[in-house]
Amino acid sequence: GAGVSQTPSNKVTEKGKYVELRCDPISGHTALYWYRQSLGQGPEFLIYFQGTGAADDSGLPNDRFFAVRPEGSVSTLKIQRTERGDSAVYLCASSPGLGHYEQYFGPGTRLTVT
Amino acid sequence: GDSVTQMEGPVTLSEEAFLTINCTYTATGYPSLFWYVQYPGEGLQLLLKATKADDKGSNKGFEATYRKETTSFHLEKGSVQVSDSAVYFCALTSYGNNRLAFGKGNQVVVIP
Repeated sequence: GAGVSQTPSNKVTEKGKYVELRCDPISGHTALYWYRQSLGQGPEFLIYFQGTGAADDSGLPNDRFFAVRPEGSVSTLKIQRTERGDSAVYLCASSPGLGHYEQYFGPGTRLTVT
Repeated sequence: GDSVTQMEGPVTLSEEAFLTINCTYTATGYPSLFWYVQYPGEGLQLLLKATKADDKGSNKGFEATYRKETTSFHLEKGSVQVSDSAVYFCALTSYGNNRLAFGKGNQVVVIP
């Protein structure tokens, strides 16, 4: 079946612009996660959703970052007033629920802020 | 907070050599432990996991044992192949906390 998909695969934007990154989880997965991976580092947690609600957003670095999942499926990560330090690969993962379930990762969106 | 430490630097070895990648962790409670792998041009994939002390996770010839006394989850494979070349990440989740905490990863290069 279809895995987690993310669009776009690459995004180049200018400093100060607004960007949206999209994640389509595996059908039926209720939990959805966003991570950010900087060059040479492991992924860092940003936020996760159980259904439509953000169950834990403590990893969002500041109030320029926001994420939604209005219908409990597709999620959008929104970044306002982008900065060069936001350049990274943004990963989305989904799992069947909370607990000891495997998280299935998408291919990521590579964001470059110039 | 929860954290994972992996040995520094890339690992280069010859085909059929023995591979070990060290991983130690700090966590509250009793975490679940994971190894994820990222092959060139692909997304992160779960390689193996262990959810309680003394459990051994295994897959594709790789093994790791959850050692609570040494807070470690070292990854081993007895005879690597060129196709094992990838980046390997150790990770954990703590009870009641579903976020994954990752180590920095180790690039493994297997030379024919």
